[in-house]
Order: sequence, then structure tokens, then C-alpha cells
Amino acid sequence: EIVLTQSPGTLSLSPGERATLSCRASQSVSSSSLAWYQQKPGQAPRLLIYGASSRATGIPDRFSGSGSGTDFTLTISRLEPEDFAEYHCQQYGSSPRTFGQGTKVEIK
Amino acid sequence: EVQLVESGGGLVQPGGSLRLSCAASGFTFSSYDIHWVRQATGKGLEWVSVVSTSGGTSYLGSVKGRFTISRENAKNSLYLQMNSLRVEDTAVYFCAREMLGTGMYAFDIWGQGTMVTVSS
Repeated sequence: EIVLTQSPGTLSLSPGERATLSCRASQSVSSSSLAWYQQKPGQAPRLLIYGASSRATGIPDRFSGSGSGTDFTLTISRLEPEDFAEYHCQQYGSSPRTFGQGTKVEIK
Repeated sequence: EVQLVESGGGLVQPGGSLRLSCAASGFTFSSYDIHWVRQATGKGLEWVSVVSTSGGTSYLGSVKGRFTISRENAKNSLYLQMNSLRVEDTAVYFCAREMLGTGMYAFDIWGQGTMVTVSS
């Protein structure tokens, strides 16, 4: 089973700042099969990025994903008020599909 | 509108059973693999099970032999029969649609979740 470790656990930033979230895998993720999801309290996760760097339908271009192998990054170029939420990475290249423990982006 | 709506959650005693349902609308349900994912309060997401378009199934190790996933394409519905429930099964359970494609893909549509509480 591939273990995903997200860092930091919490990121305290102000609107307009850049957010950089990390997701590290315990072994190589095949075919860059990595996704990022945004989740707000009491809501379902929303797909942001798949294939490590492809934005899902309707996702603003301030969200970008990068990385390969075992190291992946989600970058939010300029934080909007609605971006303060929890972010989860997921690998879907091998079974079982696994998620990271999440990174909370909170208002500083 | 493309959506998934879960139901069937509730409070059950350890060792008890519960059946979750997930109703799909707005897309061709039979063409997609559908998953169950759970989230304990304050914790991360945990994949539970999948049923493929052909009816093949796969389970998280800790639920294998206790949970059964199934689908009924004529009713655009997904089910999760949960038996021998444990306290550690307490979580919000989401159903999620896997994107179309060859191989395995991310989950592009999620339901709002249904709460399962296992407690005496």
C-alpha cells in the first residue's frame, strides 16, 4: 500500500498570498496518477487536479499541480477567501487507492 | 444536474448491520465505476470499496468479509451492505464516481455523504 504524507498539517496565510502544499509518496506513483481535492467543512470533496497537473472542469487557473514519482505539489497562486479549506492528495495508480491525511489552509 | 445522493446512515450497535444507498442522476450510471469512501470525524479520507461497470468488486482490507458493495443499473443505484459493524467503522460515508478512461482515474463526482455511527 502506498502511504501519502502531506505537509504541512496546517498552513496559515493571508488572502492574496501563495500557498504551496506538499504530498510525498512512500513509493513511486505510477503514471503520475495523483489527484488533489478541496474539502470545506460539512461538504464533500471536490476534484481540483488529476494526473498530477491537469485541472478538473471549472477549476480556476490559480490552482496548479506539479510533480512526479514520489513528490507532488499543489500551488494556489493567490489565495481567494473561498480557498481556505482542507486539501487532500490521492494516488489512484495502484490498489488500494490511498489518500494523504490532509493539509488545512487557514486564514492568518 | 450530475449528482450522487447517499442515504441509509444512522446509529447502530457494535455487531449490527446497516445498508447504505447511493442514487445517481444526470449521467449514464452503468458506464462508470463507483466507489465508497469514508471519513471519520476530524480525520482524512479512506477508500472503502469499488464496483466496476462489469460488476467486479474490491475492498479495503479491514472491511473485507464484512462489507458488500453492489449496484443496480436499472435503478441507477449503488449499495453498501455493512455487517458486523465495529466502533472504528464510525464515519461519514461518501459515494464517488470515477472518471472515465482506461485504467484507474480520480473521482470527479461525490455525494454529500451519510453518517454512520457505531456505538453501544
